[in-house]
Amino acid sequence: GAVVSQHPSWVICKSGTSVKIECRSLDFQATTMFWYRQFPKQSLMLMATSNEGSKATYEQGVEKDKFLINHASLTLSTLTVTSAHPEDSSFYICSASNALAEQETQYFGPGTRLLVL
Amino acid sequence: QKEVEQDPGPLSVPEGAIVSLNCTYSNSAFQYFMWYRQYSRKGPELLMYTYSSGNKEDGRFTAQVDKSSKYISLFIRDSQPSDSATYLCAMSERSGYSTLTFGKGTMLLVSP
Repeated sequence: GAVVSQHPSWVICKSGTSVKIECRSLDFQATTMFWYRQFPKQSLMLMATSNEGSKATYEQGVEKDKFLINHASLTLSTLTVTSAHPEDSSFYICSASNALAEQETQYFGPGTRLLVL
Repeated sequence: QKEVEQDPGPLSVPEGAIVSLNCTYSNSAFQYFMWYRQYSRKGPELLMYTYSSGNKEDGRFTAQVDKSSKYISLFIRDSQPSDSATYLCAMSERSGYSTLTFGKGTMLLVSP
């Protein structure tokens, strides 16, 4: 099956610092990667969609200058939370999809828990 | 009205019971329907993927889609304590790898 990894799995940082989260597709090439955030007992909220080699498309209300997304290769996307604040504390999950796959769906990473103090 | 409605539960059942999980939706353009299982503090895991109306079976899991009623279901037979998790329905218009719209998830608790 398709495997997506995320690193780190959890991170604690001080307010005002930047945090980078990596998302990798381990056994397939991801033409598209998605970034979600999830608050406790809430569903996943899509933050942005990124295609390899092009700029990410951000959902309404998501600050693109605060959440920097880079999708430099078909197996790696990064999300950088710049100048993090306590309200950015959340569970960040990436997913990856391959338009050429037989089953057209997204495969999710294990998530990264961010706590901003 | 939200695009996808899903009862958050929790739904508590004894081991061995048949579980029925449901979602309703309002967007008639949805064509692709998925069920994900999410354990606490983990990412969602794809369980079932269906296109358009019909049934699909995989082991103890059966997914049903009724587009005329805008209603999808996931049945779990012979439920196990390890099935205890949150189940998220998701759907999309163009394809399964395009933007997904999720339900809020139903928490399932299977007691031994």
